[in-house]
Amino acid sequence: AQKVTQAQTEISVVEKEDVTLDCVYETRDTTYYLFWYKQPPSGELVFLIRRNSFDEQNEISGRYSWNFQKSTSSFNFTITASQVVDSAVYFCALSRDTGRRALTFGSGTRLQVQP
Amino acid sequence: DVKVTQSSRYLVKRTGEKVFLECVQDMDHENMFWYRQDPGLGLRLIYFSYDVKMKEKGDIPEGYSVSREKKERFSLILESASTNQTSMYLCASSPPVGRLRSEQYFGPGTRLTVT
Repeated sequence: AQKVTQAQTEISVVEKEDVTLDCVYETRDTTYYLFWYKQPPSGELVFLIRRNSFDEQNEISGRYSWNFQKSTSSFNFTITASQVVDSAVYFCALSRDTGRRALTFGSGTRLQVQP
Repeated sequence: DVKVTQSSRYLVKRTGEKVFLECVQDMDHENMFWYRQDPGLGLRLIYFSYDVKMKEKGDIPEGYSVSREKKERFSLILESASTNQTSMYLCASSPPVGRLRSEQYFGPGTRLTVT
């Protein structure tokens, strides 16, 4: 069985602070994919990143960066110099590399960035 | 850009009614999914379909059925709506296994209230 845990239910920061959203996953598969999605107040989930289990390189995209550590089964997401527009619910998700690749989601972390 | 549309953003139905939620995607994706989102639980998979007329149960299929008569359209049916089916329903689509970009693309969601 697969499981994704996002222990932080809600985080509140002041604009320009850095913030890290934690994600811990469980799977028995040797190959799998990890994802982060953003859900702004409008409700539509926006894809942010996909990471293959064989690729442990960290990735940076503008103010966003992701730290994948297979040894600790974690895939953490950091926003540098947060902005009010970053306020959203962020979901970490896991899918198998075989079969239909349905996603197993964490419960989400609500990020509030105060001006 | 992939576009996934859902027939309604908000829906109010009475207990016992038969409810149809429609989802259409315009990218010729083989896979389509229905999720339900509840506070503190993240998104949970109800059903998915990997081809026309093909479907598989997800984690919480009880009380739901689906229909996929055309590739672009995937319908979620609540045979007899109950108050515990009040939730946000999200549809998603994705290319088949093996495609380079296999992430799921989500619609805007339908917030269903059953009274």
